[in-house]
Amino acid sequence: ETGVTQTPRHLVMGMTNKKSLKCEQHLGHNAMYWYKQSAKKPLELMFVYSLEERVENNSVPSRFSPECPNSSHLFLHLHTLQPEDSALYLCASSQAAGTDTYEQYFGPGTRLTVT
Amino acid sequence: GNSVTQMEGPVTLSEEAFLTINCTYTATGYPSLFWYVQYPGEGLQLLLKATKADDKGSNKGFEATYRKETTSFHLEKGSVQVSDSAVYFCALKGGSYIPTFGRGTSLIVHP
Repeated sequence: ETGVTQTPRHLVMGMTNKKSLKCEQHLGHNAMYWYKQSAKKPLELMFVYSLEERVENNSVPSRFSPECPNSSHLFLHLHTLQPEDSALYLCASSQAAGTDTYEQYFGPGTRLTVT
Repeated sequence: GNSVTQMEGPVTLSEEAFLTINCTYTATGYPSLFWYVQYPGEGLQLLLKATKADDKGSNKGFEATYRKETTSFHLEKGSVQVSDSAVYFCALKGGSYIPTFGRGTSLIVHP
């Protein structure tokens, strides 16, 4: 595997379910990000991790819980979601979160549908 | 705070037409500027970047010049192809952990 991978690619869950999204980067980067992409809305940054420490939490509801066990893996744990949480969830990585010149590398996303 | 403004589109062109997608920004200091492209069913990927004033980023026939005096980073291509149909995002990174993205511009190229 190369680049940034995300699993699953598609997920349908009920409002009472608990599920997790997984992201893995194979680039040796130190920063990882979760984004939410909804139709007709701007890209929303949810969380930023730098060297496994969460450095930004962009006012995200507590039903979304991130976890970064090491610099290569990032999870987003989901519970009691709402239909408006249906969206494409994108994971990204970069060499360092605090350096402005580094670009981000994105995974293909997980298409989440909450029923 | 930082912000990026770009036209939402869709921009509809015929093949081989000239493309311009405008991007202007607000930021303190000296941010780095990026253009990302998102093809249907995929994540975003870097198209080009510029890290200081007057730098020109270029890739796959696309170009953009970092203009500090007009706070702009317009994307151009001399001759678009059907395969360029995608959504294009202007972004900046400056002085914080948080990248700032524009709302994206959809480009549709007809044969």
